[in-house]
Amino acid sequence: QVQLQESGPGLVKPSETLSLTCTVSGGSISSYYWSWIRQPPGKRLEWIGYIYYSGSTNYNPSLRSRVTISVDTSKNQFSLKLSSVTAADTAVYYCATYRRQDHYFDYWGQGTLVTVSS
Amino acid sequence: DIVMTQTPLSSPVTLGQPASISCRSSQSLVHSDGNTYLSWLQQRPGQPPRLLIYKISNRFSGVPDRFSGSGAGTDFTLKISRVEAEDVGVYYCMQATQFPSFGQGTKVEIK
Repeated sequence: QVQLQESGPGLVKPSETLSLTCTVSGGSISSYYWSWIRQPPGKRLEWIGYIYYSGSTNYNPSLRSRVTISVDTSKNQFSLKLSSVTAADTAVYYCATYRRQDHYFDYWGQGTLVTVSS
Repeated sequence: DIVMTQTPLSSPVTLGQPASISCRSSQSLVHSDGNTYLSWLQQRPGQPPRLLIYKISNRFSGVPDRFSGSGAGTDFTLKISRVEAEDVGVYYCMQATQFPSFGQGTKVEIK
């Protein structure tokens, strides 16, 4: 069974770039689409984007100008960069597998809280 | 953007009794390929979301059969036939007919 683990700084300053990595175990990174989803405190889940191992990406239009998702197949990892962050980007960030054929998220990481504050 | 709206936002239920959650989308979720990409997820306290149902009514692997999904077009329902203590949590509907978006969540708690 695929297992996912997010890692990265828990505190980021306003206007800086948030960077997170998701490490995949129990499965090949070439087998799925890989996604980032976030949940601001007290708010609904928000899809950020996904990437295929080939490097093709799809982003939420509301975040597209600030988001980059990349994949490192040699390390079985994929990463998220979100630039020019503000307090509104404070959230629990989840990585998840996305089944492109049936359009659902099945395996999720535990999530990591990122706070944007000076 | 497709907006997902769930009702109720909170559902106190007696153990062993049924529960029902509704989800409405701002536009039809029928994809150009003929499928409807509506999922339901459960988030227990302190846990990440867990997939329960996909494409309206398909139970994901390992999901108990007391969970069922139904609906079409813009109106969908998740039913729990007999609520158990482990079902406490927040339930989200999610559409992926266009770029994915989620409902605001329904909290299921025991009376």
